[in-house]
Amino acid sequence: GAGVSQSPSNKVTEKGKDVELRCDPISGHTALYWYRQSLGQGLEFLIYFQGNSAPDKSGLPSDRFSAERTGGSVSTLTIQRTQQEDSAVYLCASSLGTVRSYEQYFGPGTRLTVT
Amino acid sequence: DAKTTQPTSMDCAEGRAANLPCNHSTISGNEYVYWYRQIHSQGPQYIIHGLKNNETNEMASLIITEDRKSSTLILPHATLRDTAVYYCIVSLTTSGTYKYIFGTGTRLKVLA
Repeated sequence: GAGVSQSPSNKVTEKGKDVELRCDPISGHTALYWYRQSLGQGLEFLIYFQGNSAPDKSGLPSDRFSAERTGGSVSTLTIQRTQQEDSAVYLCASSLGTVRSYEQYFGPGTRLTVT
Repeated sequence: DAKTTQPTSMDCAEGRAANLPCNHSTISGNEYVYWYRQIHSQGPQYIIHGLKNNETNEMASLIITEDRKSSTLILPHATLRDTAVYYCIVSLTTSGTYKYIFGTGTRLKVLA
């Protein structure tokens, strides 16, 4: 079956512009996660959605970052007034649920470059 | 801060077993140990996970010490395609969520 998909695969934007990144999780997966990975670094947790519960936003680095998940499926990560330090690969993952033994399936990521 | 400690890099000869260690001395009794790997320019890929007992699947084996303070991922017959960054993660719960805290991982290079 189809895996996690993300779009666009690459995005170049000017400093100060807003960007939207999209994630389509695996069908039937109720949990969705956003991470970012700066060059040569490990993954940094950003935000987590589970069903209709309020999202865990504890990893968002500033109020310029926001995310929503419509209908319990597709998610959009929005970065307002982008800064050069926002340049990174943004990864989305989904899993079957919150039971801690459920592995996460990652998408290919969106490479964001802020010039 | 990551809750795990791994060597920065390791080399392994093709066809030999690759043993990747991980320390997680502050792991709590109900936290699982997960292993993922990330091949260049791809998203991380799940390998294996465990709680207390040793685990084996078609990709690897996971050996967890009795005190659960460390574990070892074993790739029994490493191939060139196993060259990747390997992440050891313990699941972190905060208010019922299950987010991963990734460290910088071990960069494994399989040599021909």
